[in-house]
Amino acid sequence: KNEVEQSPQNLTAQEGEFITINCSYSVGISALHWLQQHPGGGIVSLFMLSSGKKKHGRLIATINIQEKHSSLHITASHPRDSAVYICAVDPNYGQNFVFGPGTRLSVLP
Amino acid sequence: KAGVTQTPRYLIKTRGQQVTLSCSPISGHRSVSWYQQTPGQGLQFLFEYFSETQRNKGNFPGRFSGRQFSNSRSEMNVSTLELGDSALYLCASSPWQGTYEQYFGPGTRLTVT
Repeated sequence: KNEVEQSPQNLTAQEGEFITINCSYSVGISALHWLQQHPGGGIVSLFMLSSGKKKHGRLIATINIQEKHSSLHITASHPRDSAVYICAVDPNYGQNFVFGPGTRLSVLP
Repeated sequence: KAGVTQTPRYLIKTRGQQVTLSCSPISGHRSVSWYQQTPGQGLQFLFEYFSETQRNKGNFPGRFSGRQFSNSRSEMNVSTLELGDSALYLCASSPWQGTYEQYFGPGTRLTVT
């Protein structure tokens, strides 16, 4: 069993839809990161969470430490949100990230 | 502030050769991490440096090595290249060691033929 799992693997949505991407992990963590990777490879850090919930514009990230689960929500999705979203857990204070397989999101106009 | 820069951006090498990749972190950042991304394995942690010291290394053979200089710039080296080393190599910097947001560079795409 992989240490970090994401669902769904692929997601196609219509512009304006509410999107949820899930991440489950099996190790203890000091933090969880949500990353966005556009075609071409560049990665942007969206959120770093160790508890609760964070919001940035149309993006919301939540984490449940007891359940070892995090969700990334995108409200009012837009074609420019099309990217791969990657969940990464930090088991040891920045020393060894473990990455999920990514969720490929396509938002159609 | 300038972002994380990586050079070169693209590289083609032959099996058996060695390669050195460079990463310049955001000014003031002291921690640099390296990652390998392949279609089969996804993103994997290579190593992390802080204050010129390797704090941790991922599960990669000894052919993969790195170092960090006093100005926080970092290099990674892969010796005796194999076809399976073809990948996107990403570095990321953060202000300090520990739990911080990571800022990623654009990556170096290495092709081994």
